[in-house]
Amino acid sequence: EADIYQTPRYLVIGTGKKITLECSQTMGHDKMYWYQQDPGMELHLIHYSYGVNSTEKGDLSSESTVSRIRTEHFPLTLESARPSHTSQYLCASGETPDRGALTNEKLFFGSGTQLSVL
Amino acid sequence: GEDVEQSLFLSVREGDSSVINCTYTDSSSTYLYWYKQEPGAGLQLLTYIFSNMDMKQDQRLTVLLNKKDKHLSLRIADTQTGDSAIYFCAVRGYTGRRALTFGSGTRLQVQP
Repeated sequence: EADIYQTPRYLVIGTGKKITLECSQTMGHDKMYWYQQDPGMELHLIHYSYGVNSTEKGDLSSESTVSRIRTEHFPLTLESARPSHTSQYLCASGETPDRGALTNEKLFFGSGTQLSVL
Repeated sequence: GEDVEQSLFLSVREGDSSVINCTYTDSSSTYLYWYKQEPGAGLQLLTYIFSNMDMKQDQRLTVLLNKKDKHLSLRIADTQTGDSAIYFCAVRGYTGRRALTFGSGTRLQVQP
């Protein structure tokens, strides 16, 4: 059972609002990720972190920002939400199960936040 | 960059076998994964295979890897209605620094 939590599950807000999507994991994983997923589409990596005070942008350009002040917490912030930000946002943390195989990483996903911007 | 492609939809009858296919472009891919996403939930890792293997079996799941053709498949034996979900193929390149590249997912519908 994965111990990674996202809040809120659903969020409907108006254009221009500032929002923060929360993600927390209790597994002590250093690696954490944010993916954006539109219906019927693949997951797009928007941010990732390999540890405290380490954050990088992913493959898909995003107007969101992230922070990693604590290992367990990886919040994503939109300063001014727009309808184009409407999507599902999935947070994940990564575990390397095989000591000798650093490229094998098992991802644990949260249940996601479905964001709708009106 | 890596491209991962999957067919969008598969429908099977309960008790039949399901085969979900995936193709990828990066020949240096080291680990290849299958994730399952049920409605309203995040993704859950089902199984994975290392690139030096051709096949991996785990109970009802069989993963086949054709490295020459860059083709990965997931076979689910005796498919049940509870297997209805979206199945994502994901691959990791050799450098491993970046996160996984996911396909667009195959929606499996199991009819009673």
